[in-house]
Formats: sequence, structure tokens, C-alpha cells
Amino acid sequence: DTGVSQDPRHKITKRGQNVTFRCDPISEHNRLYWYRQTLGQGPEFLTYFQNEAQLEKSRLLSDRFSAERPKGSFSTLEIQRTEQGDSAMYLCASGKGLADQETQYFGPGTRLLVL
Amino acid sequence: LAKTTQPISMDSYEGQEVNITCSHNNIATNDYITWYQQFPSQGPRFIIQGYKTKVTNEVASLFIPADRKSSTLSLPRVSLSDTAVYYCLVGDMRYNAGNMLTFGGGTRLMVKP
Repeated sequence: DTGVSQDPRHKITKRGQNVTFRCDPISEHNRLYWYRQTLGQGPEFLTYFQNEAQLEKSRLLSDRFSAERPKGSFSTLEIQRTEQGDSAMYLCASGKGLADQETQYFGPGTRLLVL
Repeated sequence: LAKTTQPISMDSYEGQEVNITCSHNNIATNDYITWYQQFPSQGPRFIIQGYKTKVTNEVASLFIPADRKSSTLSLPRVSLSDTAVYYCLVGDMRYNAGNMLTFGGGTRLMVKP
């Protein structure tokens, strides 16, 4: 257990529905990251926050995806109008946010299945 | 961009030392080298990070030659529980955050009894 928690751990939804995932980082960490991972592939970076500011977004993050981190604590990732291709493990990580180095501590992930 | 290249898979036996090499020919001056381990259905776990020469912790050693164009993760006396995917990342959060956050395909290590 790294101290990063994600909720829910599993989500099954029907195509076209909206889903929201939550991530609670390690409390003293000011950086928070979201990744997506499909079977047999490495994690793909989606976006990251420094405190409440969203500093970088991957081109993979379509308009249907939105992430927030109000007050710089927990974060939510919402997927609107889900598609079957969104089925994946969604991973959250947090880090101390040193200027140049970074060590990410990952949560257990949320596994999404879109039917 | 400092793209990394790792072997797709490796096999070893319990008790052996395993060395996984990552090539990063275009590494930038400020880039750090970080290795993660991932078990099935779990998030990646940080193993070790370094900038140059040698870094050792309770889990592994990281060897970085002077030109920094490659790095080698060394796992001493592996056990069956070391069977996992190992990822090498290269980057710097100030100037090269995208690289530091790019996992690639990783190396699948299979430890046999």
C-alpha cells in the first residue's frame, strides 16, 4: 500500500454513460498524475496537477475526458459519453513535486469496462 | 526527446543476478533515470532513480556509465516474486516532463524455479 487510494476499484458501465473516478494522493504530495493502461501496454500519461493547477495534458486526453483537483487535494477524472475503447485501468499517482526529479507513488487503479 | 529502448522480455532462475539494460541515446543534460516495477493488476512501484555513476538501495542497483546513454538495473538474487514488468523512464520535470512520464513497453522478467 503506497498511501494513494482510488475509488471505485472496478466500474462497469454502458456505452454513452458518464463515469467519474476519484483519487486521494499522499497528503503531503503536491503533484498528482493520471494514467491509462490497457492490457499488455505500459501506462499512458493523461494529465498532471501541481497543487490545483493542471499543468500538462496529453494529446490522448480527448474532449470527453476532464480532470479536476479542487483545493489541491483529491482529484477526479470524468469520462463523458463513454466508448468501448475507454475500457482500461485508470491509474493515479502522486509525487512530492521536486523541481526536476520525481518519484511517483501509484494507487491500485480503477478498472473500467464499457459494455 | 530521450526515447528509451529496453528488451521486451527476459528469463532468469531463482537466485541469479538479473541485469536489465535501457538505452537512451538522446538523454538530456538535466534528465534523471528512473525504474519502476509493475505486477499484474497493480500500479507501478518505484524501484530506483539516478543521475550518474552508481546508485544502490535495499532492492536494486542502478549503473550509469559516464556518457549516460544507457543504464542497467541490477536485481541481486532474484526470487519468483520478482516476476514483473520493469520500466525505464528518462526525463526532468522542469524541461522534459513528458519523457519523465512516458513508460514505454517495459521489460517482462520471468523468474523460473
